[in-house]
Amino acid sequence: QVQLQESGPGLVKPSQTLSLTCTVSGGSIRSDKSYWSWIRQPAGKGLEWIGRIYTSGNTDYNPSLRNRVTISMDTSKNQFSLRLTSVTAADTAVYYCARDSTSSSWSNHFDYWGQGTLVTVSS
Amino acid sequence: QSVLTQPPSVSGAPGQRVTISCTGSSPNIGAGYDVQWFQQHPGRAPKLLIYGDNYRPSGVPDRFSGSKSGTSASLAITGLQAEDEADYYCQSYDNSVSAVVFGGGTKLTVL
Repeated sequence: QVQLQESGPGLVKPSQTLSLTCTVSGGSIRSDKSYWSWIRQPAGKGLEWIGRIYTSGNTDYNPSLRNRVTISMDTSKNQFSLRLTSVTAADTAVYYCARDSTSSSWSNHFDYWGQGTLVTVSS
Repeated sequence: QSVLTQPPSVSGAPGQRVTISCTGSSPNIGAGYDVQWFQQHPGRAPKLLIYGDNYRPSGVPDRFSGSKSGTSASLAITGLQAEDEADYYCQSYDNSVSAVVFGGGTKLTVL
């Protein structure tokens, strides 16, 4: 059973960098042919896809965030990470990491999710 | 403004059937990208309900079904139960922005 767990600061100051890590257990991000994604949800609002990293290390980002986002992976720790720079109050949200185990470029399969972690941007 | 449009809310009595629509356009659902559906209870992570337009992951009751036609998709829930009360999101891919996209979500109330 694959499990994902987000970790990182719950409070970030405006203009600073938000950094989160997702630790994967029950599977290997190096060998599991999946996309590893970050998705966020502001309070009372819908889901927004931030971006993803593939097993190979290739990344895709939401165009609306591309100039501020970096997703990386550390296969030795079985973790992948999110960095979001120059944050504002609009970046306050619950951040989820998720596995997309799709084998098709025409589909997605977000089958495993972390429990989510609330990040508040405030001075 | 979400790329995929869902009604903000739907409701139904226990035992009834409800449907939730998800309207897209040519670069996403209309291009042939699959639609997925997620159920989210308050304070919980989303749960995959339907993938590949109409496939259910193991453990999802067959009361839940998905369909797609043209630029729209629908989620149907039959035999409504109290525990079905949740938010539901559709999801697809959009090649005009090269991004995974979600609908704005629909709150299902079981009367």
